Order: sequence, then C-alpha cells, then structure tokens
Amino acid sequence: ESVLTQSPATLSLSPGERATLSCRPTQSDTRYLAWYQQKPGQAPRLLIYDTSNRATGIPARFSGSVSGTEFTLTISSLEPEDSAVYYCQQRYKYTFGQGTKLQIK
Amino acid sequence: EVQLVESGGGLVKPGGSLRLSCAASGFTFNSYMMHWVRQAPGTGLEWVASISLSGNYIHYSDSLKGRFTISRDNAKNSLFLQMSSLRAEDTAVYYCARDSRGFDFDYWGQGTLVTVSS
Repeated sequence: ESVLTQSPATLSLSPGERATLSCRPTQSDTRYLAWYQQKPGQAPRLLIYDTSNRATGIPARFSGSVSGTEFTLTISSLEPEDSAVYYCQQRYKYTFGQGTKLQIK
Repeated sequence: EVQLVESGGGLVKPGGSLRLSCAASGFTFNSYMMHWVRQAPGTGLEWVASISLSGNYIHYSDSLKGRFTISRDNAKNSLFLQMSSLRAEDTAVYYCARDSRGFDFDYWGQGTLVTVSS
C-alpha cells in the first residue's frame, strides 16, 4: 500500500514568511502529486496539479516542486488568509496525505 | 459557473442505508470522471469511489468492503452514492468532486453530512 507522509504536522509562521510543506510517497515511482487547501467548514480547493502547475485562480505565491522522492508545496510570502490545512494527493488509489495545518501568527 | 451540490445526508442507524446525490451544473457532465471523497470529523480526506464518463469503469476504496455503490445519470447531470450496512465509522462529510485530469479534483461540492448513530 502506497502512503503519503506529510510534514510537518503543524506549522506556525508569520505573515510575509516562507512556508515549505513536504509530502513523501512510500512508492518511489510516484511522479505526480496534487495539492489542496482546506479552510474550516469549507470544501478542499485545488492549488497545484501535476506537481508544479497552479490551478486556475491560484496566486503565484503558491508553487509546487519535487526533488528526488520529496514533493514540496511552497508559499513564498504568507498572507493571513493562507491559514488552512494543506493536503497532498497521489494518483495511486487517489490517496491523500494526512495534512499539514498551517497557522499564521 | 461550475457547481456541484450534494444532498441526501442525515442521521441513520447502524446497519441502515442512505443514498447521496450530487447535482452538477455549469459544465458538460458526461465529459468528466467523478468521485466521492469523505472526511470524518476532525480528520483528513479519504477517497471513496470513482466512476468513468459513461459509468463503465468504477473503483472503490478497499476499506468499503463492497458496501457502497457509485453511479451516475448523465441525462440528469447527477452523481449518486448508495451506502448500505452503514457503520459508525462511516460518519463523515461526503463530497462529490470533478476529476479534471485523471487524478486531481478541480471542483468540489460543499459536502453533505452523514451521521451513523443509534
């Protein structure tokens, strides 16, 4: 079974800082990931598809990348509205990671 | 504007059944694979089931053990999830989602809450 491990579980940063969220699949041949943002009481929103492509309407401060088997979601300069839980997802059985909670101080 | 609106959630006793619906609008429904995803209270997202454009190809999460059935009616732009032998652990918000490119979900409904309790 292929699992996605997200880290850290919680991240607390200030506005203007850079956030780096990690997602590691146990299956080494995972080539593409998607990233979602979910705010309390809302449905998830697609941020990034195919590892590094921003979805429609997503601000340029959100970016996705991969190095080896580690996938990364970077938010270059945090805004207060970026406070949310972020999930990665892989193609294999559409598996989601357990989420990273990002808190803006 | 793309819209997905779920309905049919509610309180059901363990062992009971429930049928969820998702009404789609604002796009060509029969051109997209569709999914159900659920989220138990305070937890993360769990993919439940998927259905191909024509309904010929269907996949389920291994954890469901054959209790759920996904279907669609392209003439009515609707997606369904028939749930049976419900358990307390099926308590969750159930979302329908559109598959844009083969595994990423670009539009989601607002969700419908299913509570399984005696």
